[in-house]
Amino acid sequence: DAGITQSPRYKITETGRQVTLMCHQTWSHSYMFWYRQDLGHGLRLIYYSAAADITDKGEVPDGYVVSRSKTENFPLTLESATRSQTSVYFCASTGGNQPQHFGDGTRLSIL
Amino acid sequence: QKEVEQNSGPLSVPEGAIASLNCTYSDRGSQSFFWYRQYSGKSPELIMSIYSNGDKEDGRFTAQLNKASQYVSLLIRDSQPSDSATYLCAVRRGGGGSNYKLTFGKGTLLTVNP
Repeated sequence: DAGITQSPRYKITETGRQVTLMCHQTWSHSYMFWYRQDLGHGLRLIYYSAAADITDKGEVPDGYVVSRSKTENFPLTLESATRSQTSVYFCASTGGNQPQHFGDGTRLSIL
Repeated sequence: QKEVEQNSGPLSVPEGAIASLNCTYSDRGSQSFFWYRQYSGKSPELIMSIYSNGDKEDGRFTAQLNKASQYVSLLIRDSQPSDSATYLCAVRRGGGGSNYKLTFGKGTLLTVNP
């Protein structure tokens, strides 16, 4: 089925470890986004990408790295995880002048 | 700092009533406006989009936009317990590039009581 999928759905890791969250979409959308959602803060943009090999920072990019070698994939890497990065992470995509559609999210706990 | 403000709620309405959700935004360059519904533990789901001043109706949902007042609202008629969720208002400049980013409000929690 076409759509946007995130993996893993749940992840527990330890501080200092590297962890990568995956996002894959089958719509051939140009734009992809990573958000984190925390109580009291709502949805905050981490990074976004306008096309393959084009990425840019959002509101809260520190501690995160992204890449986009293929249009359909937009992985998010926490290079050295910290407890403050415990959150729910959502990936979204859009073809441009259309609404964004979200994946099911990854619930990440950092101990 | 572009901001989108929503009452956090909770907004509690009886079943069958009209629920009214409000949102204000600070960026006068905003062109596109969206309402997302988010059930607890789930991802945001688009329910309405509106691009021009006035009302837009889709089933039990009506979105209202007033760009002069920088105000967008969502009315839910004949509210059902299944409408109980957090409703997120989002705005976008449009026009390409970074303007496709969304700015979200923190959401309003709606509870519909049977």
